[in-house]
Amino acid sequence: KAGVTQTPRYLIKTRGQQVTLSCSPISGHRSVSWYQQTPGQGLQFLFEYFSETQRNKGNFPGRFSGRQFSNSRSEMNVSTLELGDSALYLCASSPGGPVGDTQYFGPGTRLTVL
Amino acid sequence: DAKTTQPTSMDCAEGRAANLPCNHSTISGNEYVYWYRQIHSQGPQYIIHGLKNNETNEMASLIITEDRKSSTLILPHATLRDTAVYYCIVRRLIRGNKLVFGAGTILRVKS
Repeated sequence: KAGVTQTPRYLIKTRGQQVTLSCSPISGHRSVSWYQQTPGQGLQFLFEYFSETQRNKGNFPGRFSGRQFSNSRSEMNVSTLELGDSALYLCASSPGGPVGDTQYFGPGTRLTVL
Repeated sequence: DAKTTQPTSMDCAEGRAANLPCNHSTISGNEYVYWYRQIHSQGPQYIIHGLKNNETNEMASLIITEDRKSSTLILPHATLRDTAVYYCIVRRLIRGNKLVFGAGTILRVKS
């Protein structure tokens, strides 16, 4: 099976712009979670989507949003970019049953905000 | 979810077993121990998980103490490609997926 894919792999934006990142889960997986990784804060949970519904949310401002499509692909959007949003954004997928299960991560999107 | 404590860094000689400890003294009966690793700037890679029995797969073995307050991840024959940050995570398998990552252990495999 193909793994989790994320596009684009690298992105450079300027402050105030917005950005959309895409994640395609492993075939058959219905849950997609997003994480942000920075040198200062480490890996932090952003949100999780299952069957097109946000099922769990981390402690991030409303500028960070996401959605999931009927084919389980997911996008996350960051509006009004700030310098501190520079990070590696990781997507993870899992089969997504009634209880939590093992998540498999993609390679990440490296976002640089100038 | 229970908090974990791991050493900041460890060194291991190539070809030898790497034993990475994790303390989770406040673990609850329904919490699993998960291990992931992250090679520089890549996405975390799932290694193994367990509840109370020891587990083994093609990558590693997981030894959980009888009281479940600590565990050890064993890479039987470490190679240079095993150099990575290793994360021990304790989580309940409840509705909704969320992994809480700590700082992990930097494992350096040296030739």
